[in-house]
Amino acid sequence: DGGITQSPKYLFRKEGQNVTLSCEQNLNHDAMYWYRQDPGQGLRLIYYSQIVNDFQKGDIAEGYSVSREKKESFPLTVTSAQKNPTAFYLCASSIGPISNYGYTFGSGTRLTVV
Amino acid sequence: GQNIDQPTEMTATEGAIVQINCTYQTSGFNGLFWYQQHAGEAPTFLSYNVLDGLEEKGRFSSFLSRSKGYSYLLLKELQMKDSASYLCAVRNAGNMLTFGGGTRLMVKP
Repeated sequence: DGGITQSPKYLFRKEGQNVTLSCEQNLNHDAMYWYRQDPGQGLRLIYYSQIVNDFQKGDIAEGYSVSREKKESFPLTVTSAQKNPTAFYLCASSIGPISNYGYTFGSGTRLTVV
Repeated sequence: GQNIDQPTEMTATEGAIVQINCTYQTSGFNGLFWYQQHAGEAPTFLSYNVLDGLEEKGRFSSFLSRSKGYSYLLLKELQMKDSASYLCAVRNAGNMLTFGGGTRLMVKP
């Protein structure tokens, strides 16, 4: 079955630590995205990549970094510079910018600072 | 700039009909999507509108008026499992999706 997999499902981070969230897709989608969702709020775009080895900042990129070395993978690192990282993180992919189905989402990673 | 507005919460009764509205102002328009998201889970695709009018898909329908910057999602014969958040998202001229804050729907017996 094709899909998009995020891991881990739950992640705890200590103050000052960097953590990396994994996102892998086997849908052969060109574009991948990272969103942050805070309780009761909508999705805010962190980073996106429309092609391998290229990525762009979204609306709230500060304190985050990404890489896109393979088409299938788009890991997100939450750095110590992100002062309020506790949130639900969603990875998504799409076949390209024009798709009548929008994005396919992973099941999310819930990050908590302890 | 881009702005997408939805009501924060709605409550409805099992078996009833509910309409969730979405108004938007975006730089260019290339389609509007509705997603369903159960708590702690991934959003799942419900509908897509790019032309004015009503798209019907089983118990769910979605309407779009581009001139008014307005859409609604209509849910009929509500079931308890329809309790979820409903996200409106607009694809802009740059083909990026911008999401509204979501509407949390509670279905009561």
